[in-house]
Amino acid sequence: RKEVEQDPGPFNVPEGATVAFNCTYSNSASQSFFWYRQDCRKEPKLLMSVYSSGNEDGRFTAQLNRASQYISLLIRDSKLSDSATYLCVVNDYGQNFVFGPGTRLSVLP
Amino acid sequence: NAGVTQTPKFRILKIGQSMTLQCAQDMNHNYMYWYRQDPGMGLKLIYYSVGAGITDKGEVPNGYNVSRSTTEDFPLRLELAAPSQTSVYFCASSSDPNYNEQFFGPGTRLTVL
Repeated sequence: RKEVEQDPGPFNVPEGATVAFNCTYSNSASQSFFWYRQDCRKEPKLLMSVYSSGNEDGRFTAQLNRASQYISLLIRDSKLSDSATYLCVVNDYGQNFVFGPGTRLSVLP
Repeated sequence: NAGVTQTPKFRILKIGQSMTLQCAQDMNHNYMYWYRQDPGMGLKLIYYSVGAGITDKGEVPNGYNVSRSTTEDFPLRLELAAPSQTSVYFCASSSDPNYNEQFFGPGTRLTVL
């Protein structure tokens, strides 16, 4: 089983749609969790950290379920500029950041 | 602050050639990382460092070497380039990986022919 798995995608959605991405991780000792965004041929950039209580940043909501080892990202009112690949990242309490393969999102006009 | 910088942006190597990918950060981060990203794939850790003078292997270290003589710099060396090393290489740094994000450089696109 891969350490971090994500929805394979791609997701093609119209502007204004709500879209949700899922991520599962295998190491129950994992301590910190992140969603990164990567534009085509660019470096990954932090979208948001994921906290146990869940957190929201504008149109973006992240949830963590430690019991199920599951992380989600919800994007409301999708914009064309949201088109990118979304990477789920898990840190195993230390220097070991493990990246998922990413889920590509295309928001269509 | 420039953040994390990488040079060169692009490079084409012939099989068997050597080169060094440069990475520098000006955020005084102790933790630095080298990743490779193959097309359509996630990032894989090559080497990492927890401070000056300390380095360790990641998931895919074969064919690469690193050094960390200063907090700022973390060069990656390819000794005998092979076509399998064709990839995009990202350097990253972090202040405390237990809680904080990684900051990435813009990447180096390497092709080995």
